[in-house]
Amino acid sequence: GAVVSQHPSWVICKSGTSVKIECRSLDFQATTMFWYRQFPKQSLMLMATSNEGSKATYEQGVEKDKFLINHASLTLSTLTVTSAHPEDSSFYICSAPTGGNVNTEAFFGQGTRLTVV
Amino acid sequence: AQSVTQPDIHITVSEGASLELRCNYSYGATPYLFWYVQSPGQGLQLLLKYFSGDTLVQGIKGFEAEFKRSQSSFNLRKPSVHWSDAAEYFCAVAPRGAQKLVFGQGTRLTINP
Repeated sequence: GAVVSQHPSWVICKSGTSVKIECRSLDFQATTMFWYRQFPKQSLMLMATSNEGSKATYEQGVEKDKFLINHASLTLSTLTVTSAHPEDSSFYICSAPTGGNVNTEAFFGQGTRLTVV
Repeated sequence: AQSVTQPDIHITVSEGASLELRCNYSYGATPYLFWYVQSPGQGLQLLLKYFSGDTLVQGIKGFEAEFKRSQSSFNLRKPSVHWSDAAEYFCAVAPRGAQKLVFGQGTRLTINP
């Protein structure tokens, strides 16, 4: 199946610094990618929809100035957690559908565990 | 309000036993339905999906799920579990016409030897 690669797999950063997470579709082009957040032993919550060449669409309650999303090419979306704080510590996962609608399978990255100290 | 509910947070079964994981949804119209599996610290893998047609859907790794419109349910089943099935299982829905997924709370499956 299609491959979505996330980098890094884990990161530890100091409070107040920024962290960038990359999501790449390795063998297909993705005009849309999705960013999810997962707290320990909880479900995945959609944070935002990343759109190639245009602004991301954020879900209600997600601070767009804190979670900056850039989708500059058809194979790469980045999530930058700005001025990170301990409460931002979480597991972040991206996904990319292989086609233009949900009838096509969405493949998930392996996730990034962020720990803010 | 639209929602996806997995009533069982944690289920333990013995290896070789049958398994059923429950999923109920509340949407205005029947959404697209999915089951994903997540191993610890990993991303998600699609087990199966239902869009329309036959209400019994076959997936990978010997899993199947049955869509029951009258009960707004999409329960996941496996006749005989293996130790390697221990993982977190998520039911997810996508409203028709939308791409983004809404996930249930997840069910953690433990397998006893």
